[in-house]
Amino acid sequence: SQQGEEDPQALSIQEGENATMNCSYKTSINNLQWYRQNSGRGLVHLILIRSNEREKHSGRLRVTLDTSKKSSSLLITASRAADTASYFCATVRIQGAQKLVFGQGTRLTINP
Amino acid sequence: ETGVTQSPTHLIKTRGQQVTLRCSSQSGHNTVSWYQQALGQGPQFIFQYYREEENGRGNFPPRFSGLQFPNYSSELNVNALELDDSALYLCASSLTGQGFEQYFGPGTRLTVT
Repeated sequence: SQQGEEDPQALSIQEGENATMNCSYKTSINNLQWYRQNSGRGLVHLILIRSNEREKHSGRLRVTLDTSKKSSSLLITASRAADTASYFCATVRIQGAQKLVFGQGTRLTINP
Repeated sequence: ETGVTQSPTHLIKTRGQQVTLRCSSQSGHNTVSWYQQALGQGPQFIFQYYREEENGRGNFPPRFSGLQFPNYSSELNVNALELDDSALYLCASSLTGQGFEQYFGPGTRLTVT
């Protein structure tokens, strides 16, 4: 079963605008990661944020983590057509098997 | 692109048949995980191999089995294929102790008819 939920399920914006995607999860985590997937291909790791971190930046990406609310957000600034993809959050739990537990993803479309 | 490769790219099988999917890990990675991704869904964890032994398993029946070889490459075997096994199968490699950041291969698209 999926760990969390992503919101929205689909997002369509104009090139140059910012895109924000949210993720909620259910259990205590070691870290949370965001991945991108283009058209049913393999996933590409974007960023990892540990449970003791609140915010992290990587290029045009900004990730926040609120462990009290069990939620995270991914902000993509100054979006480009090449950012069109599905974005998934995935958690690694503190206990149990070291595995990624994915949400259902947000389908992002950047219109030129 | 990651250094993880998977073969074949696409596969069509008939219900009841058996299938073997292959994965080569990124150089230096000692852990391989397999995921199943149904259309429109997020990937679901099947199992993980570390040092040639199963190191965790998701909610998949025993007809899903795997192997990891001394060079850290891996196989996923599925017996008695069912229509619901149609999915994208993703292999991911990682280095134990590195926060479990995963490097994914391009996947194998399996269609069961």
